[in-house]
Amino acid sequence: AQKVTQAQTEISVVEKEDVTLDCVYETRDTTYYLFWYKQPPSGELVFLIRRNSFDEQNEISGRYSWNFQKSTSSFNFTITASQVVDSAVYFCALSGVSGYSTLTFGKGTMLLVSP
Amino acid sequence: EADIYQTPRYLVIGTGKKITLECSQTMGHDKMYWYQQDPGMELHLIHYSYGVNSTEKGDLSSESTVSRIRTEHFPLTLESARPSHTSQYLCASTQGRMAGANVLTFGAGSRLTVL
Repeated sequence: AQKVTQAQTEISVVEKEDVTLDCVYETRDTTYYLFWYKQPPSGELVFLIRRNSFDEQNEISGRYSWNFQKSTSSFNFTITASQVVDSAVYFCALSGVSGYSTLTFGKGTMLLVSP
Repeated sequence: EADIYQTPRYLVIGTGKKITLECSQTMGHDKMYWYQQDPGMELHLIHYSYGVNSTEKGDLSSESTVSRIRTEHFPLTLESARPSHTSQYLCASTQGRMAGANVLTFGAGSRLTVL
């Protein structure tokens, strides 16, 4: 069985602070995919990143960065210099590599960035 | 701009009514999904489809039913709505041919309130 744990239910920061959203996963698969999605107040989930379990390189995209550590089964997401527009619910997710795999989502972390 | 459309966005109905939530995508995706999102943010997979005439039940038992007669259309029906069905329903799709694609495109959601 697969499981994704996002221990932080809600995080509040002030604009320009850096913030890290934690994600810990469990799977018996040797190969798998990890994802982060963002759900702004408008409601639809927006894909941010997909990472293959073979690739442990950290990734940076603008103010976003992701730290994948297979040894600790973690896939943490950091926003540098947060902005009010970053306020949203962020979901970490896991899937197998089969075309029949479905996504297992964590419970989400609500990020509130105040001016 | 959305490539996956959900209607209605908001619906308030009385107990016992039959409702259908519509979901259409213009991307030619094989796989489609319905998620139920409770007020605590958690996403539960309730139905999915690998293609035309394919429907599967998800991780969370649901009294709703789905059909997939056309590739682009994946409606969800509740024969007799109850207050316990009050929730946000999110439709998603992805290409099915590639193993592990699973980069889901989500609709904006249908928020259902049953009085």
